[in-house]
Amino acid sequence: AQSVTQLDSQVPVFEEAPVELRCNYSSSVSVYLFWYVQYPNQGLQLLLKYLSGSTLVKGINGFEAEFNKSQTSFHLRKPSVHISDTAEYFCAVSDLQGSRLTFGEGTQLTVNP
Amino acid sequence: DAGITQSPRHKVTETGTPVTLRCHQTENHRYMYWYRQDPGHGLRLIHYSYGVKDTDKGEVSDGYSVSRSKTEDFLLTLESATSSQTSVYFCAISEGQNYGYTFGSGTRLTVV
Repeated sequence: AQSVTQLDSQVPVFEEAPVELRCNYSSSVSVYLFWYVQYPNQGLQLLLKYLSGSTLVKGINGFEAEFNKSQTSFHLRKPSVHISDTAEYFCAVSDLQGSRLTFGEGTQLTVNP
Repeated sequence: DAGITQSPRHKVTETGTPVTLRCHQTENHRYMYWYRQDPGHGLRLIHYSYGVKDTDKGEVSDGYSVSRSKTEDFLLTLESATSSQTSVYFCAISEGQNYGYTFGSGTRLTVV
């Protein structure tokens, strides 16, 4: 079984500042990793995913994440955030044969002017 | 998302009554999922389906049942609703694990 820990429940930042949302996972087998974003009163949307290959993954809206196997982490970053990035962000993991995702508890990113 | 719809979007029901939530997809995806979202818990898997009439339990399946009689529909039933089942329920679909999920817009259920 896999588990996910998102290390910050809330991250407030100012507009145009860089941001990092931290995600650690636990698994005894190789995994797929995902980041999803949820805007208020909406469902979740896929931001990016790591399946294999390059450890630096680029997603939509200027976000990127880096897979670090030795530290079992998959942190999400953006060099300059906008007000519109205010949302809740979820990290998720699955094993390579699994048919379901395990989600972290979420990180609320609030971008202030 | 246009390929997945949940109904109803909002529902208020009384304790002890049965409730059925519907998830409908037009993508012909094999996998369908029901999650509940609660503050401080993220999303927790209730049940999922890997084909017509093929379902399995998730981590919070007690008090819930599901049915999938055709590819496009996945029903979640609360046999006797309790206040602890007040939550936002999300349906998701997937072609397979490396494709990620597409989520519906959610159903906000209040049990009074």
